[in-house]
Amino acid sequence: DAGITQSPRHKVTETGTPVTLRCHQTENHRYMYWYRQDPGHGLRLIHYSYGVKDTDKGEVSDGYSVSRSKTEDFLLTLESATSSQTSVYFCATKDSIANTGELFFGEGSRLTVL
Amino acid sequence: DAKTTQPTSMDCAEGRAANLPCNHSTISGNEYVYWYRQIHSQGPQYIIHGLKNNETNEMASLIITEDRKSSTLILPHATLRDTAVYYCIVRVAPGSQGNLIFGKGTKLSVKP
Repeated sequence: DAGITQSPRHKVTETGTPVTLRCHQTENHRYMYWYRQDPGHGLRLIHYSYGVKDTDKGEVSDGYSVSRSKTEDFLLTLESATSSQTSVYFCATKDSIANTGELFFGEGSRLTVL
Repeated sequence: DAKTTQPTSMDCAEGRAANLPCNHSTISGNEYVYWYRQIHSQGPQYIIHGLKNNETNEMASLIITEDRKSSTLILPHATLRDTAVYYCIVRVAPGSQGNLIFGKGTKLSVKP
């Protein structure tokens, strides 16, 4: 399995505060993704990256920004958290060399915005 | 990417084969069928994928009909640890930078 570490794993914060979630991978995978998972919605893509400093929006990107300054780290930032951003966030990676299309997922970060 | 339809839930007896169906009638010629599963509170886990031939690995077998409009994931000897939500996804692969679109999947309950 790809070494994917998400931090923090659990966070409780208040509305209006900034939050940054970190995804760290040790597999040198080119592609990285942030998903959120909510009851009744399955997993929805927030942002993804196809290389250092190359990112793009997913289907639910409003209220989120990302950065990827090095291959191993993909940061998801909520500039001003809202209660609607309470969710479980999953990071995923994909190895373009292997070319199977397989995504490797982290264990998730549970965020609660009060 | 083509849309998929899966049953909401299924039960299976421990030790028996679990057969999970998926319909993807609008699949196009360059789209692959992927299966992932998500055990409670964990990240999704890749199981298998295929284009048109049947595939088998250490986890499961994937049977794709000749017209490619449906497929079946087979867990040959289900265990309690196979209880999870199983997602069937259809998309163009493999090098695209696009995303996998996860639907609601099938909740498989393996019972003793």
